[in-house]
Amino acid sequence: NAGVTQTPKFQVLKTGQSMTLQCAQDMNHNSMYWYRQDPGMGLRLIYYSASEGTTDKGEVPNGYNVSRLNKREFSLRLESAAPSQTSVYFCASSPGQGNQPQHFGDGTRLSIL
Amino acid sequence: EDQVTQSPEALRLQEGESSSLNCSYTVSGLRGLFWYRQDPGKGPEFLFTLYSAGEEKEKERLKATLTKKESFLHITAPKPEDSATYLCAVRGTTDSWGKLQFGAGTQVVVTP
Repeated sequence: NAGVTQTPKFQVLKTGQSMTLQCAQDMNHNSMYWYRQDPGMGLRLIYYSASEGTTDKGEVPNGYNVSRLNKREFSLRLESAAPSQTSVYFCASSPGQGNQPQHFGDGTRLSIL
Repeated sequence: EDQVTQSPEALRLQEGESSSLNCSYTVSGLRGLFWYRQDPGKGPEFLFTLYSAGEEKEKERLKATLTKKESFLHITAPKPEDSATYLCAVRGTTDSWGKLQFGAGTQVVVTP
């Protein structure tokens, strides 16, 4: 059972470079989410996709874009990376409606120099 | 706006020393309160969902309880393998698509 798979696991970028973080789930979930986790601040929602074909901004969307490629895949793009975007990024998925919990991947650790 | 505050930020316990973690929340209407466990270098792992005041859920040495304003995660006779960061999150009734508001977490260290 793979669950939620994120790639890459680690990445170092220079300021101004672009990068796409990949996420795929094999649980046939409708909704997918991107979070960032910073020390002392908990998980903050960047973007989410309620269902295939839709995306919406979360709490901290500035500097990011997303694509829901199909039901399985949800990517996060940094167009011009900034040091403030150094963080651990988590992708999650859930059935969507109802009260089913979100299931998380193991994260991408991103450093921007 | 939904808000979640967890306390304490960190907790150091001796093996067998029971304790409780607190999660205080404000939400327009509670659809569910979720507890997760997070190990270093890993993503959060789901533990419990609580829906209404008075509800309790148990799993091994962990017991979660819920009131109208807060939830507690009780750790009974902890073992070193219970060391982790415990996260609390809420989902409000205004949300239709499973969005969660997370607290900052409580880091628990259990020493032998």
